[in-house]
Amino acid sequence: GQQLNQSPQSMFIQEGEDVSMNCTSSSIFNTWLWYKQDPGEGPVLLIALYKAGELTSNGRLTAQFGITRKDSFLNISASIPSDVGIYFCAGREAAGNKLTFGGGTRVLVKP
Amino acid sequence: SAVISQKPSRDICQRGTSLTIQCQVDSQVTMMFWYRQQPGQSLTLIATANQGSEATYESGFVIDKFPISRPNLTFSTLTVSNMSPEDSSIYLCSVASASTDTQYFGPGTRLTVL
Repeated sequence: GQQLNQSPQSMFIQEGEDVSMNCTSSSIFNTWLWYKQDPGEGPVLLIALYKAGELTSNGRLTAQFGITRKDSFLNISASIPSDVGIYFCAGREAAGNKLTFGGGTRVLVKP
Repeated sequence: SAVISQKPSRDICQRGTSLTIQCQVDSQVTMMFWYRQQPGQSLTLIATANQGSEATYESGFVIDKFPISRPNLTFSTLTVSNMSPEDSSIYLCSVASASTDTQYFGPGTRLTVL
């Protein structure tokens, strides 16, 4: 079946730093979605990507749909404490098909 | 985006009992899904809830264990039957619109089975 590899699995951030995470797939996707999940909450949609090469921003977040359609990355610029949480990528092969999720990137604050 | 509510938000249940989780959306949506998220894990699709017909289950999930209803375009239920401690998870309702190809999640139901 499809595999979505998300990395890193976890990372520590210091306020003000830029953060980057990515997902790679064994299949070609038509849609990439990025979510953030806070403790005790459901995932919240951050950014949706629909075209190869597309670069989309949402405030301090920027995500890109890879040219090969098998990868995507998410950047967070100038991180703040509320950026802590788990970020998931998800891809869909074609409209109406189910989403495949990455394993998540846990973003933590440096002690 | 759609506003999704789930009831209950959490529950603690005894082994062998069943729990029904409700999902309500504030607008008519094309597709509704149920996911499970085990502690520290990613999301796993249980089934697609089909309006007026039987749900479509993913490999490893069966109707006898996870019966699902979807009587209309804005409401669905998931029952976790004959529960065991291994069923302790967060159960998430999710909705999608074919026109926008986005997907949204409810707040989840945190289930603990003793």
